[in-house]
Amino acid sequence: RKEVEQDPGPFNVPEGATVAFNCTYSNSASQSFFWYRQDCRKEPKLLMSVYSSGNEDGRFTAQLNRASQYISLLIRDSKLSDSATYLCVVRSGGYQKVTFGIGTKLQVIP
Amino acid sequence: NAGVTQTPKFRVLKTGQSMTLLCAQDMNHEYMYWYRQDPGMGLRLIHYSVGEGTTAKGEVPDGYNVSRLKKQNFLLGLESAAPSQTSVYFCASSLPGALLETQYFGPGTRLLVL
Repeated sequence: RKEVEQDPGPFNVPEGATVAFNCTYSNSASQSFFWYRQDCRKEPKLLMSVYSSGNEDGRFTAQLNRASQYISLLIRDSKLSDSATYLCVVRSGGYQKVTFGIGTKLQVIP
Repeated sequence: NAGVTQTPKFRVLKTGQSMTLLCAQDMNHEYMYWYRQDPGMGLRLIHYSVGEGTTAKGEVPDGYNVSRLKKQNFLLGLESAAPSQTSVYFCASSLPGALLETQYFGPGTRLLVL
């Protein structure tokens, strides 16, 4: 089983739709969780950290479910500019123990 | 602030050639990292450094060497390039301490080994 698993997609959704991605992790001792966004042929950039109580940033909501070992990202009212690949990132220990998922590709269609 | 910069942006090598990738950051970050990204795989850590003069192996270190002689620079070397090293290489930096620290990435170097 991979340490961090994501559905690679692509998820094709119309503008204005709500879309959710999940990411599962295998190490129950994982300590911190993040969602990064990566545009085509660009570097990853932090979208949001995922707090234990869940957190929201505008149209984006991230949640953590430690019991089931997954994190989720919800995007409401999708915009064309949301089209990108969303990387799930999990840290399990020292700073070298950061594991990236393969990413989920989102394509928002006009 | 330029953030994290990488040189070169793109390079084509022949098998057996050597090269050095340069990463520079102007954010005074202690930690620096080198990753490679391949289709169908997540970013994988090659080497990392927790401070000037220190380096350590990551998940896929074979075939690569690194040096951190200055805090702001982190060099990745390929002594004898192989086609399996064709990839996109990203450098990143971060501040230590906070559990939820952010990694800041450079724009990447695309390497093709023929």
